[in-house]
Amino acid sequence: QKEVEQDPGPLSVPEGAIVSLNCTYSNSAFQYFMWYRQYSRKGPELLMYTYSSGNKEDGRFTAQVDKSSKYISLFIRDSQPSDSATYLCAMPSGGGADGLTFGKGTHLIIQP
Amino acid sequence: DTEVTQTPKHLVMGMTNKKSLKCEQHMGHRAMYWYKQKAKKPPELMFVYSYEKLSINESVPSRFSPECPNSSLLNLHLHALQPEDSALYLCASSQEGLNSYEQYFGPGTRLTVT
Repeated sequence: QKEVEQDPGPLSVPEGAIVSLNCTYSNSAFQYFMWYRQYSRKGPELLMYTYSSGNKEDGRFTAQVDKSSKYISLFIRDSQPSDSATYLCAMPSGGGADGLTFGKGTHLIIQP
Repeated sequence: DTEVTQTPKHLVMGMTNKKSLKCEQHMGHRAMYWYKQKAKKPPELMFVYSYEKLSINESVPSRFSPECPNSSLLNLHLHALQPEDSALYLCASSQEGLNSYEQYFGPGTRLTVT
């Protein structure tokens, strides 16, 4: 079983819709959870990170963690065509500077 | 400033060539990383440098040779690569310790091996 599972999509929604992106993980030692956005042929951009369970909001983006279910989500409100990108969840592989374990990434398309 | 720069943006090399990829950051980060990303796949960790010392090598073939000349620079030396090594090579940096999860990525070098 892979440590981080993420549906690769594509996920296509109309402009203005609320988008829900999700990942599940198997390693209960994971404590930090990140979401990266990657536009085509660009490097990943850190969107949000959370620690422990609960919600964290930043503008139109909300990150949610449910440690009991090993499930994390990223919600995008009032989605825009410029949000079309691949969204990757990521978790530190270990303690200290150990690199990140990424999900496969979900390709999101916002239709104008 | 959260910028990580990488040069060159694109590189085409033959299997007998020797080339180098360069990465630079001026955020005072003491951890730097090389990742490899194939098309439609997530980034995969190759190397980690912590305080200019190699701390992780994810069983990467010896035809890839990393180097960290100082705390701001990271190089990846390439020699005798195979066509399957064609990919986007990403550099990232972070603080050390608990904040190491906040990794900032450069735009990548798109490498094609012919």
